[in-house]
Amino acid sequence: DTAVSQTPKYLVTQMGNDKSIKCEQNLGHDTMYWYKQDSKKFLKIMFSYNNKELIINETVPNRFSPKSPDKAHLNLHINSLELGDSAVYFCASSQGLAGSSYEQYFGPGTRLTVT
Amino acid sequence: GDSVTQMEGPVTLSEEAFLTINCTYTATGYPSLFWYVQYPGEGLQLLLKATKADDKGSNKGFEATYRKETTSFHLEKGSVQVSDSAVYFCALSGQGAQKLVFGQGTRLTINP
Repeated sequence: DTAVSQTPKYLVTQMGNDKSIKCEQNLGHDTMYWYKQDSKKFLKIMFSYNNKELIINETVPNRFSPKSPDKAHLNLHINSLELGDSAVYFCASSQGLAGSSYEQYFGPGTRLTVT
Repeated sequence: GDSVTQMEGPVTLSEEAFLTINCTYTATGYPSLFWYVQYPGEGLQLLLKATKADDKGSNKGFEATYRKETTSFHLEKGSVQVSDSAVYFCALSGQGAQKLVFGQGTRLTINP
């Protein structure tokens, strides 16, 4: 039983295209996150949602738009893809907001390559 | 703002060696501290955590103690195995900050 799942696992696309990454969690958690991991493994939060409400937007370009249709899903849509968007994107969820001791559960990641 | 600094990698050890990965942090108040591990091709998973000063987190033979006086949370294991090869991330969750702040990660390779 996969706790946090992401699709697709790999995404190769050309500059200027629009793409989406989907995330689903079956843990009953209230909070979901998107992280970006660059080629040096540095991990940075992009967004967090709590009960479908946006909590954190870490100065991410407007080309990135998260959408949470319900508590179990948090999708990431990216417009006008650029070379610098190439990275691994991780979805995560937790029982409550970070800023506490709640563990975050991570998905397997989506490797995005922009050519 | 809150920040986490880990020792530079990569770290390469022989099987059964003693492991220490240093982690220091900057934060106001009393953050919660975590170690996450990322095995090749996978997402991160929690290894251990500590939520207050002098707490010791432990799991799978790994330990880390929350040291408020030195703002540190160093990861240790007495005898590493090849299966411990992974990238290790130290992280903190500040009081009311609503997000995890990660260190840069330390790649560990264990040779048989």
